[in-house]
This record gives sequence, C-alpha cells and structure tokens, in this order.
Amino acid sequence: RKEVEQDPGPFNVPEGATVAFNCTYSNSASQSFFWYRQDCRKEPKLLMSVYSSGNEDGRFTAQLNRASQYISLLIRDSKLSDSATYLCVVNNGIYNQGGKLIFGQGTELSVKP
Amino acid sequence: SAVISQKPSRDICQRGTSLTIQCQVDSQVTMMFWYRQQPGQSLTLIATANQGSEATYESGFVIDKFPISRPNLTFSTLTVSNMSPEDSSIYLCSVAATGVGYTEAFFGQGTRLTVV
Repeated sequence: RKEVEQDPGPFNVPEGATVAFNCTYSNSASQSFFWYRQDCRKEPKLLMSVYSSGNEDGRFTAQLNRASQYISLLIRDSKLSDSATYLCVVNNGIYNQGGKLIFGQGTELSVKP
Repeated sequence: SAVISQKPSRDICQRGTSLTIQCQVDSQVTMMFWYRQQPGQSLTLIATANQGSEATYESGFVIDKFPISRPNLTFSTLTVSNMSPEDSSIYLCSVAATGVGYTEAFFGQGTRLTVV
C-alpha cells in the first residue's frame, strides 16, 4: 500500500464547477499535511496547509480527518487557471529534524471553457 | 520564503556519462533535499543533504549512483553517475522554511534529464 494515495484522475470539469479531491495516508503518526499544485513542466508550489479544524482560502477548502487518515481539497467555481496537477503531501516528522515529505501520485485537473 | 536556483534546467546526455546538478539557495538552510520525478509520476525523495555530514539516502538510492556534495549552507550538488535511459527524469532540489506551526517546502525549477 502506498503511503499517500490520491484519486487517480484526471478530472475534466467545466468552468464554474465544484471539484473535490481525496487523499488517504497510511502512517497514523504523520504530523502535517499539505496540498501542492504543480503546473505542467514546473516545480510544485504550496497551495495550502491542511489543519484538523479545516481551512479555507478563497475558493479552496481543505479538510483533515485524522481518525480516518483522510485529507480532502474542495475547489469551488473552477477557473481555467486551476488546471494543474494537485499533490497531496504528508510530513511524517519534523521537517528539519528528519521528517520527510511523502508525495501522493497527484491528481490532474483540467478545467474546460 | 526561499528562492532556489537550480541548473542546468535541462540536458540530454549519453549513456554511461555523469551529470552534476547544482542548487543554490538565497539563504542558509540546514537541510537540502533532492527528489526525482519520473515521467507521469510524483516526487520521490532521493536523499537529504546536511552541511558537514554525509547525505542520508532513501531506500533504493545509493551514494555511488547519486553522490551529493554540501560544501556550505547555501549550496548543494547532485551527480547522476553512469547514466542509463532509466535515469531520464526531472530532478528537483528542495529546502524547508519553518515557522510557528507550519513547514513549507520550496523547490528549484527542476532539471529535466534525458539519457540517450
């Protein structure tokens, strides 16, 4: 079983749609959680961190369920510019003290006019 | 935040040769990380480079194949040795910025390597 698993995708949605990505992780000791965005032929960039209380940034909402070891990302009112690959990322320790970032395989989103 | 300059951005290399990738950070960092992203795949950690000590390699990666240097707190190199077509991939260096309750990873622009 992979340490971080995401919806396989790709997701093809029209502009304005709401789309949800799901992610599960296997290590119950994982400490922090993130969604990264990777545009084609570019490096990954942090989209948002994910907190137990849930957090929202504009059209983006992230949720974490530690009991189920499940992370989600909701994108409302999709824009063409949201087209990218979304990476679920889990940190299994303190990053600068040996913790490692474990990346999911990514879910590709394509928003069409 | 951190700004990372990575070079070369791409290269096409003959099998059996070696390529050294450089990564320069605009601030001093304790740890630098090297990742590989194979075509259509996500990122896999190759090794963690600490200044002043040997790099720590992940399972499946060895120092003879991927020697790493970390001469100071702002610079690191990764060498892909004795290359084969299976080494064709994107290689990324990364550093972490930490604050109260958060950690964010920053990445270089990546080196797109094609081995022929």
